[in-house]
Amino acid sequence: DGGITQSPKYLFRKEGQNVTLSCEQNLNHDAMYWYRQDPGQGLRLIYYSQIVNDFQKGDIAEGYSVSREKKESFPLTVTSAQKNPTAFYLCASSIQGPGGEQYFGPGTRLTVT
Amino acid sequence: SQQGEEDPQALSIQEGENATMNCSYKTSINNLQWYRQNSGRGLVHLILIRSNEREKHSGRLRVTLDTSKKSSSLLITASRAADTASYFCATDSIQGAQKLVFGQGTRLTINP
Repeated sequence: DGGITQSPKYLFRKEGQNVTLSCEQNLNHDAMYWYRQDPGQGLRLIYYSQIVNDFQKGDIAEGYSVSREKKESFPLTVTSAQKNPTAFYLCASSIQGPGGEQYFGPGTRLTVT
Repeated sequence: SQQGEEDPQALSIQEGENATMNCSYKTSINNLQWYRQNSGRGLVHLILIRSNEREKHSGRLRVTLDTSKKSSSLLITASRAADTASYFCATDSIQGAQKLVFGQGTRLTINP
């Protein structure tokens, strides 16, 4: 059963705590992405990675960090420096570069209080 | 900044009617894609149209692209209740920004 998995589906944290969101894919895709979606809004790119051990900042990288140690995994850490972390987080991957079709995971809804 | 802007923001029609959503963008593109998102779920890719194409079909979907007007439309024919979702356009800029830029979406409601 190929695809992208994100866990957990819902995540609750206290303000000031770092939290890591998981994203795993078994599609053998080189490129992976993290997006943030706020209610009624489109997607904004946080970070992307086109190859293992390499990643680039997107439009709203401040307060977030990522790693890409394995092709299959691209975890996102939301740090305490992120001023407004409550949002819906989506992970995606693509066969070719960012301009191609992207495959999305089911998302993680993070609530920070 | 958002590259794609969808219009209308929300659309409500009766089952069986056609639904048309529009997307405008600002810079020259390599391609334009449409995605669908059911509430609280991930996005699903619907169709990709390249800058040298003017029209593309996939089942009940018809996408047009007018690069001179920097706009695209998505037509869903014979709508069904299951088509209720948000629809997003996403553009791949020719300026090498190395990312897809998503619009804010059109929320489509099909009334049975």
